Amino acid sequence: DTGVSQDPRHKITKRGQNVTFRCDPISEHNRLYWYRQTLGQGPEFLTYFQNEAQLEKSRLLSDRFSAERPKGSFSTLEIQRTEQGDSAMYLCASSLVGVNTEAFFGQGTRLTVV
Amino acid sequence: RKEVEQDPGPFNVPEGATVAFNCTYSNSASQSFFWYRQDCRKEPKLLMSVYSSGNEDGRFTAQLNRASQYISLLIRDSKLSDSATYLCVVNSRNTGKLIFGQGTTLQVKP
Repeated sequence: DTGVSQDPRHKITKRGQNVTFRCDPISEHNRLYWYRQTLGQGPEFLTYFQNEAQLEKSRLLSDRFSAERPKGSFSTLEIQRTEQGDSAMYLCASSLVGVNTEAFFGQGTRLTVV
Repeated sequence: RKEVEQDPGPFNVPEGATVAFNCTYSNSASQSFFWYRQDCRKEPKLLMSVYSSGNEDGRFTAQLNRASQYISLLIRDSKLSDSATYLCVVNSRNTGKLIFGQGTTLQVKP
């Protein structure tokens, strides 16, 4: 399968714990995006990378969230000291650089904080 | 004001109906426009890009109005399988950042 893959698919964690999610983009894609989605809402932008450079991070994101893409390939999203409000679907997408280039999504990681 | 705004619906239409969705965006420097489709509990998938001259793909027609900063999606001869959430997507300013609207839910009934 050469699509975007995310791991794990589901994560249940206790409040206060740290969690880390991984995203493997389509191999030739140099852009990688992270989004968060809750029920009834569209995907909310968190951050994106072009190769290994993090170009933008949402101002809505607290300092508990951090993302890396160390070699310009896979990316990790870490949430420290999780809160119940962090429960959501975390979606990763990748694309080539350019106007009107399609972003392909992974199946997401569903986080539940109890 | 949100960067991308859509009417969440739901739009309930009978099979065979024509239905149209609009989406407004706030940044006049945006260059890339898309409609994505999202089925329940699935990831979003590209339905179609939206070009300045408008474009059509089978029963689906997308239009862009830069002066008024809105894009539209028209679905003709609705099928039961068209039931989904339709997400309007715009790049922010002249960057690669993609901003999604809230989504418009369509339910096609027999």
